[in-house]
Amino acid sequence: EDQVTQSPEALRLQEGESSSLNCSYTVSGLRGLFWYRQDPGKGPEFLFTLYSAGEEKEKERLKATLTKKESFLHITAPKPEDSATYLCAADSGTYKYIFGTGTRLKVLA
Amino acid sequence: GAVVSQHPSRVICKSGTSVKIECRSLDFQATTMFWYRQFPKQSLMLMATSNEGSKATYEQGVEKDKFLINHASLTLSTLTVTSAHPEDSSFYICSARDPRTGGGGYEQYFGPGTRLTVT
Repeated sequence: EDQVTQSPEALRLQEGESSSLNCSYTVSGLRGLFWYRQDPGKGPEFLFTLYSAGEEKEKERLKATLTKKESFLHITAPKPEDSATYLCAADSGTYKYIFGTGTRLKVLA
Repeated sequence: GAVVSQHPSRVICKSGTSVKIECRSLDFQATTMFWYRQFPKQSLMLMATSNEGSKATYEQGVEKDKFLINHASLTLSTLTVTSAHPEDSSFYICSARDPRTGGGGYEQYFGPGTRLTVT
């Protein structure tokens, strides 16, 4: 069965303390791996799409990478405004997303 | 970037009444839209896939007679919660698949969500 698992469930960082969020997947025929940011009471905001192992994407303090088994979202020198829930999702070719349970990130000033 | 709107953002209705939620893709045509439900501190749960011009496909366990979906145009899908009950209270989010993206998997862009409270 296709599955996406995110870790840690929650993460508290001091401002400027870099870290990585993990998204492990067991999906046959991965067509795309997607990262989203979700603020409380809002819909997910698109961040990145990764299509193949070895691919990397960057945006400001965020960098997403992909291997054949997992994806990482690296956060460099985070700021309090980076606090949110980060979701990853996989498309196995059915065009429906398989979502992970998310990582709740809190960045302290 | 792709923009998806959702209306209303919040709605309160009485038990037994129906409520309609609209989802619009503003800057692209979406043949496929999705409806999700999200419980507090949980991830998104897919309810149904909405295809323009055809019947929606519902996920297992979702009552299609309670959650009516209509995808009447390439930019609009609606979700109607019929005979609402307090247990239907939740955060409902739609997304639209952007056909302009590719490389294999299509990107989904999400609306801001609708908070439904049934009293």
